[in-house]
Amino acid sequence: ETGVTQSPTHLIKTRGQQVTLRCSSQSGHNTVSWYQQALGQGPQFIFQYYREEENGRGNFPPRFSGLQFPNYSSELNVNALELDDSALYLCASSPGLAGGQSAQYFGPGTRLLVL
Amino acid sequence: GESVGLHLPTLSVQEGDNSIINCAYSNSASDYFIWYKQESGKGPQFIIDIRSNMDKRQGQRVTVLLNKTVKHLSLQIAATQPGDSAVYFCAEIPQGLPPNSGGSNYKLTFGKGTLLTVNP
Repeated sequence: ETGVTQSPTHLIKTRGQQVTLRCSSQSGHNTVSWYQQALGQGPQFIFQYYREEENGRGNFPPRFSGLQFPNYSSELNVNALELDDSALYLCASSPGLAGGQSAQYFGPGTRLLVL
Repeated sequence: GESVGLHLPTLSVQEGDNSIINCAYSNSASDYFIWYKQESGKGPQFIIDIRSNMDKRQGQRVTVLLNKTVKHLSLQIAATQPGDSAVYFCAEIPQGLPPNSGGSNYKLTFGKGTLLTVNP
C-alpha cells in the first residue's frame, strides 16, 4: 500500500508568482484535504476534495484553488504569492466514508518559501 | 471561534518514563479525535483516534483518554523512548454530514502542539 506522496519537496518563489503543488492520495482513498502549516503552528485547513468536487473550505482567499482528478490525486494552486504564504503545505487523504468521519493520513509536505 | 488547545507547550521526560500529553477542546459538537506525531521536517503521522462514544482506547504503547464532560483529551505514552521525541497534536472533527453537502464538516482542527523531548 502506497502512502500519500507530495511534490515538489521544496520550492522557492517570488512575490506575485503562481505555484502548483501536487499530491497523490493513499491507495483506496478518495478524499484529499490540503492544509497550510506555518512555522511553530498547527496545520490550518485550506480545503477538501471528494470525488473531484470541493467539499468544504477554510478561511483562505480565492487565490488558493484546487483540483482533484479521477484517480483522486490533487493539486493546490496559489496565485499572486505573498510573503505570508511561506509555509509547509500538507496534503492528507482519507477513505471519505459517507456520513462519517475517518482518519486523515498526511504526506511529507511541500516547503514553500516566498521571497 | 472553535479551537483545540493544549495545556502544555513543552514536555521533557526521561527515557523509560511514561508521558502524558493533554489537550482541551471547545467544540462540543466534536465527536471524533485524532492524535498526530510530527517529527521535524515531516508531515503529521497518525498515532491513534477515538470517537466520542468511547472513553478510552489503547494502541501499542499509547492510550488515549476522552473526558467529554470537561472536553479534555489526553495521550499517554508508556516507556517513552528517544524516538518519541516530536511535536504532538490533537485534532478534532465535528459531527459530519455526507460528503459534498457543503461546509467543512470533515476538516481537522489542530491545536498548536506539544513538544515532547525524551532525555536519554
